[in-house]
Amino acid sequence: DAKTTQPTSMDCAEGRAANLPCNHSTISGNEYVYWYRQIHSQGPQYIIHGLKNNETNEMASLIITEDRKSSTLILPHATLRDTAVYYCIVYNQGGKLIFGQGTELSVKP
Amino acid sequence: DTAVSQTPKYLVTQMGNDKSIKCEQNLGHDTMYWYKQDSKKFLKIMFSYNNKELIINETVPNRFSPKSPDKAHLNLHINSLELGDSAVYFCASSLWGQDHTEAFFGQGTRLTVV
Repeated sequence: DAKTTQPTSMDCAEGRAANLPCNHSTISGNEYVYWYRQIHSQGPQYIIHGLKNNETNEMASLIITEDRKSSTLILPHATLRDTAVYYCIVYNQGGKLIFGQGTELSVKP
Repeated sequence: DTAVSQTPKYLVTQMGNDKSIKCEQNLGHDTMYWYKQDSKKFLKIMFSYNNKELIINETVPNRFSPKSPDKAHLNLHINSLELGDSAVYFCASSLWGQDHTEAFFGQGTRLTVV
């Protein structure tokens, strides 16, 4: 079973930042937070991951709370092509990626 | 070059038939996976192979049999297909034991059983 809780859906205006929250209150010390997204009819795509520190790459930023019980994925300037289902996953090295229901993000013009 | 490729992309077949889906990755990864995405869009892991050895085998009917001839290939054979097997099947690959495992997914095979 997925160890994360995400809102079912969110809207975001094009050009604005999209902030996608995720709760993972039962996360263990050696488990990472991963984010993937699935654009309609395509395979899931890796976005970013982190353990304790905040992370940033060319796609997004990941903010993890100090107690690690929640995190937020930030898409700084959302475009229409960012419309997708976003999955927050708690992953244990050597384990398996378990996808929850994800958040359906709609970026609107 | 496609990192993880699956064939066929679409598969329509009758109940009771046996079919195979092929997957190949050119990333040099040592671990490959099969996921099933049903009509409700839930992605569920089915199998995982590491260096050609089965390491994850979820509760899947034994009509489903994965085969890994080498590290770059993981095929899925399905016997006696049923209507409930209709779904999109995704293959994925990654490096085992890395603390920054990024799994790459194929584009999926849409299986329709009629």
